[in-house]
Amino acid sequence: QLQLQESGPGLVKPSETLSLTCTVSGGSISSGIHHWGWIRQPPGKGLEWIGTIYYSGSTYYNPSLKSRVTISVDTSKNEFSLKLTSVTAADTAVYYCARHVTSSNWAKWFDYWGQGTLVTVSS
Amino acid sequence: EIVLTQSPGTLSLSPGEGATLSCRASQSVTSSYLAWYQQKPGQPPRLLIYGASSRATGIPDRFSGSGSGTDFTLTISRLEPEDFAVYYCQQYGSSHTFGQGTKLEIK
Repeated sequence: QLQLQESGPGLVKPSETLSLTCTVSGGSISSGIHHWGWIRQPPGKGLEWIGTIYYSGSTYYNPSLKSRVTISVDTSKNEFSLKLTSVTAADTAVYYCARHVTSSNWAKWFDYWGQGTLVTVSS
Repeated sequence: EIVLTQSPGTLSLSPGEGATLSCRASQSVTSSYLAWYQQKPGQPPRLLIYGASSRATGIPDRFSGSGSGTDFTLTISRLEPEDFAVYYCQQYGSSHTFGQGTKLEIK
């Protein structure tokens, strides 16, 4: 059974960089069958797609966050990571990693999700 | 960017009733590339429907999706107590965007 687990600091100071890692078990990122994504959800609000990566390193970002986001992959560790720079209180959210179903080299819907991790931006 | 608008914001119904949730896109969604998710408090979203009308593995047949172009619908027939949750649509035809959600609450 595929499992995804987010990890990283739960508290980040304003203007600093948020860094999270998603560890995948029960499946291989480097199989090339799927894309992998990050989604966030501010407390009490809706879902926002952050970005997506393929095992090759190809990335696709939400235009509204693109200038601050970097997603990378480490196939040797079977994990992918998120960095979000210059954070503010508006970046406080539960951050989820998830697997895309991929078809015709297109990242489609999300079929497996991690449990999510709350990151609070506060001094 | 394709903006998805879900309506209503909140839907109050009783178990046993049917529910109709709407998701309207600001422009046509390529190839009906639309999914629906259910989210309960403290849990990640759960995939219900993909390709506008295909049920995901293990999803009961009381959940059905329909629509194309800019108008999509999630229908839940005969609501069960466990169906009361927040529902989101997602389009994946042009990048990825989510609707703002519809909360289905017990009347």
